[in-house]
Amino acid sequence: AQSVSQHNHHVILSEAASLELGCNYSYGGTVNLFWYVQYPGQHLQLLLKYFSGDPLVKGIKGFEAEFIKSKFSFNLRKPSVQWSDTAEYFCAVNALNAGNMLTFGGGTRLMVKP
Amino acid sequence: GAGVSQSPRYKVAKRGQDVALRCDPISGHVSLFWYQQALGQGPEFLTYFQNEAQLDKSGLPSDRFFAERPEGSVSTLKIQRTQQEDSAVYLCASVLAAPGGSYNEQFFGPGTRLTVL
Repeated sequence: AQSVSQHNHHVILSEAASLELGCNYSYGGTVNLFWYVQYPGQHLQLLLKYFSGDPLVKGIKGFEAEFIKSKFSFNLRKPSVQWSDTAEYFCAVNALNAGNMLTFGGGTRLMVKP
Repeated sequence: GAGVSQSPRYKVAKRGQDVALRCDPISGHVSLFWYQQALGQGPEFLTYFQNEAQLDKSGLPSDRFFAERPEGSVSTLKIQRTQQEDSAVYLCASVLAAPGGSYNEQFFGPGTRLTVL
């Protein structure tokens, strides 16, 4: 079975700082990779996804993530965070033999100070 | 509405009570998932429906948990004889198509926060 690890549980940044959230997964086969965001009081929303091709994927709101197959990693980045990026971020994996089921990491709570 | 809806949004139950949580998926979506999100953790898979058929219930933590989707649209997650460890947010997600071929995006509802006293 697949598993996902997010190493940073809480991150506090000042506005304009750069962000990198780590995500590692364990699964020997082919996977689809996702980052979801949950803003305070809102439901989970898809931020970006990787299926195949260019390992650097760009999502909404200036976020990007890089898939490094050799490291089983899919880290999320943003060059300059804003106060409105305060949210909880979840990395998720879909193994290709698991239908549409997602396996989530434990989440990283990001607080951006104005 | 255009999104997945869940009701109630909040539920407080006394230990030992039965609860029923409802999910209204996006109209026409074939697949439906239930996840459990404990405090401070990521969502964990509970069960999956394709139309009215429950194809995977491997994530249900005990036989006190039961889910159904009798007409292939609305789904209900029932928890019998609730325990404190059942306290969590229960998320529902719907998917337009059945699995097979490329991945199909899951659309999540707002969740039901269950607190068992």
